[in-house]
Amino acid sequence: NAGVMQNPRHLVRRRGQEARLRCSPMKGHSHVYWYRQLPEEGLKFMVYLQKENIIDESGMPKERFSAEFPKEGPSILRIQQVVRGDSAAYFCASSTGQGEAFFGQGTRLTVV
Amino acid sequence: DQQVKQNSPSLSVQEGRISILNCDYTNSMFDYFLWYKKYPAEGPTFLISISSIKDKNEDGRFTVFLNKSAKHLSLHIVPSQPGDSAVYFCAAKTDSWGKFQFGAGTQVVVTP
Repeated sequence: NAGVMQNPRHLVRRRGQEARLRCSPMKGHSHVYWYRQLPEEGLKFMVYLQKENIIDESGMPKERFSAEFPKEGPSILRIQQVVRGDSAAYFCASSTGQGEAFFGQGTRLTVV
Repeated sequence: DQQVKQNSPSLSVQEGRISILNCDYTNSMFDYFLWYKKYPAEGPTFLISISSIKDKNEDGRFTVFLNKSAKHLSLHIVPSQPGDSAVYFCAAKTDSWGKFQFGAGTQVVVTP
């Protein structure tokens, strides 16, 4: 049973480009969470999704950021027109909705 | 609004001794608490959890204690081993379907 898979592991984008981060949850998990970790900081909640639904997006910046978790395929975190301040590690976690969540290895986004 | 707080950014402990990590929370609606361990450039790994109906949960060298009246939980690691050197995050959620809120983390260094 594969764990949570995130890709790419590393992503470099120029300012103004778009970044797409993918997350495939563990088998049997229908709940996905996205977190961001800035250098020297903790894990900041961004968005919580269930299949085809956004449950809580209170941590998402109002502009440029969006997330989806379609019926088929991975969850996608999309950042449009990236800026240097978007450089961070983005972690995805999945769960059954109860109990613990399991994390992927993260995507390290660098904006140059 | 930081609802989960880890006030000690770092902890140094000698190999073989006990490591005690502390976590405080402000939201009395939290009913499920977790500890995660994170190595650099990796995703957080689930360690141990406790629900609000318990005050103690033990798994091998790891024990979590919950004091609901003080809104405080702690993680005890005994005996500490060099491989325990990592950042430890405390997390909490309000219900089975809620998001996980994380503390800022505590860097543990186990010295020989």
